[in-house]
Amino acid sequence: QSALTQPASVSGSPGQSITLSCTGTTSDVGRYNLVSWFQQHPGKAPKLLISEDNKRPSGVSNRFSGSKSGNTASLTISGLQAEDEADYYCCAYAGSRTLWVFGGGTKLTVL
Amino acid sequence: EVQLVESGGGLVQPGGSLTLSCATSGFNFSDSAIHWVRQASGKGLEWVGRIRGKPNSYATGYAASVTGRFTISRSDSKKTAYLQMNRLKTEDAAVYYCTGMLTFWGQGTLVTVSS
Repeated sequence: QSALTQPASVSGSPGQSITLSCTGTTSDVGRYNLVSWFQQHPGKAPKLLISEDNKRPSGVSNRFSGSKSGNTASLTISGLQAEDEADYYCCAYAGSRTLWVFGGGTKLTVL
Repeated sequence: EVQLVESGGGLVQPGGSLTLSCATSGFNFSDSAIHWVRQASGKGLEWVGRIRGKPNSYATGYAASVTGRFTISRSDSKKTAYLQMNRLKTEDAAVYYCTGMLTFWGQGTLVTVSS
């Protein structure tokens, strides 16, 4: 069982906006501004989409945005495209003892 | 261009040892934390451990599942990080990724643990 909870799957149609959730606790997501989101296509390495809750690295499409409310972080993908079909993982800092934890991942299907 | 290249994966028997390497280029290695993340076949990502950079005294930290069995080290002169894995279990079988600051990722190396 993963430390962070993500829905196993979500789906959306091209052009739609979709939001993926990542629920943690007051010890990780809710305590530190250190939630990251990664995209992973089959057989490929993960790719950083969002760091520090809502910061988008250079080169990442502005269709991806991150936010957080309490113990739940969210990744919103706007203008859904076929190439967005992938697995998405959140990751959060959980303090000096546990350090870092991942969510179980969400499989996004573009209909 | 940033590059991270893992090597050293392969087949090992339960109870055996293996050392993975992560050769890097294109970013400030000595100041950067290097993490190891693994992914069992068909499963999600699991954080394994990390070694911080020189400004943070090369501090290490590990997931509970590998503490006492895995050790991360680095050579700043070679811009290379290492993951030494001892007393391997079948559940350690996975693709192992090294990542610089969880930002830059290698392509992974496969570790198979089987008799």
